[in-house]
Amino acid sequence: LAKTTQPISMDSYEGQEVNITCSHNNIATNDYITWYQQFPSQGPRFIIQGYKTKVTNEVASLFIPADRKSSTLSLPRVSLSDTAVYYCLVGAYSGAGSYQLTFGKGTKLSVIP
Amino acid sequence: EAQVTQNPRYLITVTGKKLTVTCSQNMNHEYMSWYRQDPGLGLRQIYYSMNVEVTDKGDVPEGYKVSRKEKRNFPLILESPSPNQTSLYFCASSSRAQTYEQYFGPGTRLTVT
Repeated sequence: LAKTTQPISMDSYEGQEVNITCSHNNIATNDYITWYQQFPSQGPRFIIQGYKTKVTNEVASLFIPADRKSSTLSLPRVSLSDTAVYYCLVGAYSGAGSYQLTFGKGTKLSVIP
Repeated sequence: EAQVTQNPRYLITVTGKKLTVTCSQNMNHEYMSWYRQDPGLGLRQIYYSMNVEVTDKGDVPEGYKVSRKEKRNFPLILESPSPNQTSLYFCASSSRAQTYEQYFGPGTRLTVT
């Protein structure tokens, strides 16, 4: 079961690029890395997913090195509305076709005006 | 509108009184999960289901039961709730093709006194 480790919190000023790194040393060959965003009192929302190298969408970029033991979520030019908790998620297969998904404890990003 | 619904949204109950939190999705998703969220602990998976009549334990299954008799519904049952089950609960679903892109419900805030 792949556990993840993220910084507990980060602060950033508006307009800056923010990089949040997640460590997942025991990632399995078939696992994907997924990031979610959560605002207070709401369910998490999918942001981006990747397997290796770099993935980019309209919201963020995800960088994954060749060894896949870590990943970095990059948020370009953050605004106050990006203040949220960001979770790194690595899927683990527990045999017989089942899967168990483990969230990290999340990184609380605070964007400062 | 594609969505995951949970009921009730808020519940206050007493120790030992059986309760059920319902979860329903209208996206024909195969996978469904239950999570609990507690301050400082992030999201922890309670149970998951890969399809009808297929359920398996997540990280914190003790004190909970689930059933998956229909594809769209995945109720969470607390046979004898205790105060340590006071938490914010989320139901989520995803398709087989996009396993890691989960859609979360709005959450159920449960208080057990």
